[in-house]
Amino acid sequence: DAGITQSPRHKVTETGTPVTLRCHQTENHRYMYWYRQDPGHGLRLIHYSYGVKDTDKGEVSDGYSVSRSKTEDFLLTLESATSSQTSVYFCAISDTGGLIEQYFGPGTRLTVT
Amino acid sequence: SQQGEEDPQALSIQEGENATMNCSYKTSINNLQWYRQNSGRGLVHLILIRSNEREKHSGRLRVTLDTSKKSSSLLITASRAADTASYFCATVYNAGNNRKLIWGLGTSLAVNP
Repeated sequence: DAGITQSPRHKVTETGTPVTLRCHQTENHRYMYWYRQDPGHGLRLIHYSYGVKDTDKGEVSDGYSVSRSKTEDFLLTLESATSSQTSVYFCAISDTGGLIEQYFGPGTRLTVT
Repeated sequence: SQQGEEDPQALSIQEGENATMNCSYKTSINNLQWYRQNSGRGLVHLILIRSNEREKHSGRLRVTLDTSKKSSSLLITASRAADTASYFCATVYNAGNNRKLIWGLGTSLAVNP
């Protein structure tokens, strides 16, 4: 898993609580992505970053925010978690633009009760 | 509906046999990628084929792209038990001023020793 770590790897939280997931890379790649993976929906892009403090929305960004204050860290925050946000979250990085050739982290399994 | 749709949804073969999986898409694309995901792990980028390419090889992998039929196939030759995984296609296409990345739902491949 090419120098990408995600923390925590597993989390159970209650509806309405804020949650922050962290993605850390040691590859110095410019582009970073957050996805969620759900049965029947496949991978869906939540937010992505094309540089420090430069972020943009993906197709399922509602209820999520991101921040990137350093090249190596990309944070995903659920401001007020809902049960529909129960999912496996993957971070990915790339040194190539155009949404290609991404390297994925190991994933975070989030359960919202 | 999904831009990229793989078929079959599941495939079971014996070690040493070839495995072929297909991906169909709906709009004109810039490129198409194939990724592998082992159970409980992040995705691994396998190969990218651009819209002006018809065939590409990487080790035991062969990818074809037929833009007239809006379809791609991934062939794994001489399969091994370690090839057991889910395989996803991902298409990148232009949407206004942006590029979009859409993932298929995957083909689950089981290679039996």
